[in-house]
Amino acid sequence: AQKITQTQPGMFVQEKEAVTLDCTYDTSDQSYGLFWYKQPSSGEMIFLIYQGSYDEQNATEGRYSLNFQKARKSANLVISASQLGDSAMYFCAMREGIRGSGNTGKLIFGQGTTLQVKP
Amino acid sequence: DAGVTQSPTHLIKTRGQHVTLRCSPISGHKSVSWYQQVLGQGPQFIFQYYEKEERGRGNFPDRFSARQFPNYSSELNVNALLLGDSALYLCASSARGFQETQYFGPGTRLLVL
Repeated sequence: AQKITQTQPGMFVQEKEAVTLDCTYDTSDQSYGLFWYKQPSSGEMIFLIYQGSYDEQNATEGRYSLNFQKARKSANLVISASQLGDSAMYFCAMREGIRGSGNTGKLIFGQGTTLQVKP
Repeated sequence: DAGVTQSPTHLIKTRGQHVTLRCSPISGHKSVSWYQQVLGQGPQFIFQYYEKEERGRGNFPDRFSARQFPNYSSELNVNALLLGDSALYLCASSARGFQETQYFGPGTRLLVL
């Protein structure tokens, strides 16, 4: 069964430092997508970054980068130069692969990691 | 362009009542997905609709139903509410649903007393 595991319930980082949030996944699909979302206390899930299973290079979006290690089935999020506004819950998610016309592309989420940035 | 919008933002109901949650996708997006997020957990998939047809259903009882309208907006209905239905209900839209990124709305916080 497909599963996302985030083993860090909470993380602290000093402002302006880099932080890595861990994510491991389990799937038997060859084609899949990995996502990171940020959820502030307001509740809205904000898309941060995407990595496809066949992408050879790690995805980057501004201060966010995804450290994709396919053999280890890990997709860690790296936030560089942390800002106070980065304090939020972060979710790793996987989109199931294509299985014919019945594929929904539903997202499977991990339990999340709470990040607190200290001034 | 406006993002995904949801209404209402907050709702309080009592056990046994019925609730309807509404979602308008990003302009041009034809697929809407619904997720339930219980406090302290990641979101769980409930439904996905594309071009007004149900494309997928998660492991939720038949008390949960949804539909998508010709303008691609969507409703999630929950009958015979239970205390355990208290959660944040998130709507996400994507261009087609199965290969595009899903963008989420602000959610509806439902409290069942």
